[in-house]
Amino acid sequence: DIVMTQSPDSLAVSLGERATINCKSSQTVLYSSNNKNYLAWYQQKSGQPPKLLIYWASTRESGVPDRFSGSGSGTDFTLTISSLQAEDVAVYYCQQYLTTPLTFGPGTKVDIK
Amino acid sequence: EVQLLASGGGLVQPGGSLRLSCAASGFMFDNYAMSWVRQTPGKGLEWVSSIVGGRSTIFYADSVKGRFTISGDNSKNTVYLQMNSLRAEDTALYYCVRSAGGINTWFDPWGQGTLVIVSS
Repeated sequence: DIVMTQSPDSLAVSLGERATINCKSSQTVLYSSNNKNYLAWYQQKSGQPPKLLIYWASTRESGVPDRFSGSGSGTDFTLTISSLQAEDVAVYYCQQYLTTPLTFGPGTKVDIK
Repeated sequence: EVQLLASGGGLVQPGGSLRLSCAASGFMFDNYAMSWVRQTPGKGLEWVSSIVGGRSTIFYADSVKGRFTISGDNSKNTVYLQMNSLRAEDTALYYCVRSAGGINTWFDPWGQGTLVIVSS
């Protein structure tokens, strides 16, 4: 199984400042045949189901603000919120979809400082 | 608008059974894989099962294999999760989710979820 880890567990950032979340997979999620990283990011606000933010590690889902960006390849990935807004308070999860079992990271909680 | 309405959760004793349903609307149901993902405070998000390819290809997490059965009814745009031999560790909020394509794609969107509590 591919184990996903995230760091930090939580972070508090001032409004307008940058938030950076790291995700690491125990095996590569880069598929060499198409050179795509099978990695997605989700945002879960309190009391709501998760919402897709990014897929293929760096492709922003339609309607997601451009302050959210994803980067990385292979086993190391980053979700960046370039200028934190109040509505970004949430838990963020990474997920690999290269192989079953499909697995998620434990989540990173983002708060306002 | 894509909608996924999960139902069927509830309180059940260990060893009991429940059947979850997920009614889908707003998209061509036949063209998408459908999955169940569960969430607990302790274990976070856990993929449970997926059904793809005209409902002919099915995958399960090892933790539910042999106890849970996923199925789909294209005529009703509904996916089911039959859960047997339930254990306390199956207690979770169960989300119905659509996959963008086959099994190797992301989950979008997620339904609101239905709560399953396994307890005596």
